[in-house]
This record gives sequence, C-alpha cells and structure tokens, in this order.
Amino acid sequence: GAGVSQSPSNKVTEKGKDVELRCDPISGHTALYWYRQSLGQGLEFLIYFQGNSAPDKSGLPSDRFSAERTGGSVSTLTIQRTQQEDSAVYLCASSLVLRVTGEGRGELFFGEGSRLTVL
Amino acid sequence: GQNIDQPTEMTATEGAIVQINCTYQTSGFNGLFWYQQHAGEAPTFLSYNVLDGLEEKGRFSSFLSRSKGYSYLLLKELQMKDSASYLCAVRGGLWENQGGKLIFGQGTELSVKP
Repeated sequence: GAGVSQSPSNKVTEKGKDVELRCDPISGHTALYWYRQSLGQGLEFLIYFQGNSAPDKSGLPSDRFSAERTGGSVSTLTIQRTQQEDSAVYLCASSLVLRVTGEGRGELFFGEGSRLTVL
Repeated sequence: GQNIDQPTEMTATEGAIVQINCTYQTSGFNGLFWYQQHAGEAPTFLSYNVLDGLEEKGRFSSFLSRSKGYSYLLLKELQMKDSASYLCAVRGGLWENQGGKLIFGQGTELSVKP
C-alpha cells in the first residue's frame, strides 16, 4: 500500500486477555519494526524483522510479548495475558534495506499506531 | 548503555526561531534523525545527518557534531502548525547486527504561541 497500515486503531481489553495487533508495511520494504509509546513518552524499541526473521528481539519487555512476520510482509504483535502496564500506543514502521555500509538514509516510515487500553 | 537527551518542552512565538537540542551517547553511530509527531498521529521524518555540519531544508535545519555527541533542530519563521513533539533518534550499532533500528529520545513538546 501507499503507507504503513495498522489495525485495529483502538483496542480496549480486560486484564488477562490476549490481543493481536497487525501491521502491513509499505510494499517493497523488507525491514519492519515495532515500537511502543506510552503517554508523554518517547518511542521504545520492541523488535525488528528482516524478511521473516527477527534478528533483534531485545526490546520485548517479557515473554508475554511475541511477534511474527509472514511472507516478508504483514506482521502480528501478540500480547498474552495483558496487564494494565501494557496500555500504550503500539507503532509499526518499515524501511528499505540498506547495505552493510549504511549508504542512504534508511529512514523509518511509521503507521498511525494501535492504541491499546487494558482495563 | 545508550542515552539520548532532549528538553521535555519548549515554548516559542509565531514567526520566531527556535532551536531544539539533542545530546546522545550510544555504542555506535550510523546517523541521527529528527521526526515530527503531532498529537495522535504517526511520527514523520524531518531530517537526517550522518556527517558533521548543517543540513538545510526549507524552514528546517539540522546540525550534527559527532565528536560532541550533539545535534540541534532549528525551526525558522515558526507557524502555529509547528506545534508538535520533535523526536531525536540515533541509529547506533552495526547495520547487520541491529538492522538500522533507531533509538529515540523522549521528545520535545513545542508550543507555538500567537
């Protein structure tokens, strides 16, 4: 598509339930990132995908969080047994792959985010 | 560790110039980015610096000093629509290890007053 698409835009759930957040990156972008933004805070890195593999999962806060990417395109972030502290906006971004030398900007293009509220 | 600092909030007057500073300490450096984020919207790319010096793009300019771990974003001829959060972000480690992920500061909330 023309931009990064995320769904749902808003999700309200009860503590203890599982949620799935979806990201559809820009066509042709092989790198995909998930970030989390709590109210008034900066963006916290969660996980990075290159194709279908995730070389960097260092930002996932606990084993309740997992993500997968299929067909080198759509990604799903799953949060199991949600807690109130999981409430945040979950942002997905994609970018073009850069060479090892890092040539080019490789800026991230963000979706509008999925606002998660855990009651 | 990795640390990126920027002021929490700033206020400026319409038509004026404002400079938003960012200092960083990262394990590596492969470029510094500035993003603009209006409330409830996605962050959008503003500027990129990888070499020392000033990059100018219309009303916005960004400066980088790698030896000092310092950057600033300069906004000229401020307009009301410039009221937003401005995010400083650094690409730290080697591309093949960290995939070009950006580490973000907390953001600077800029309010432009008439």
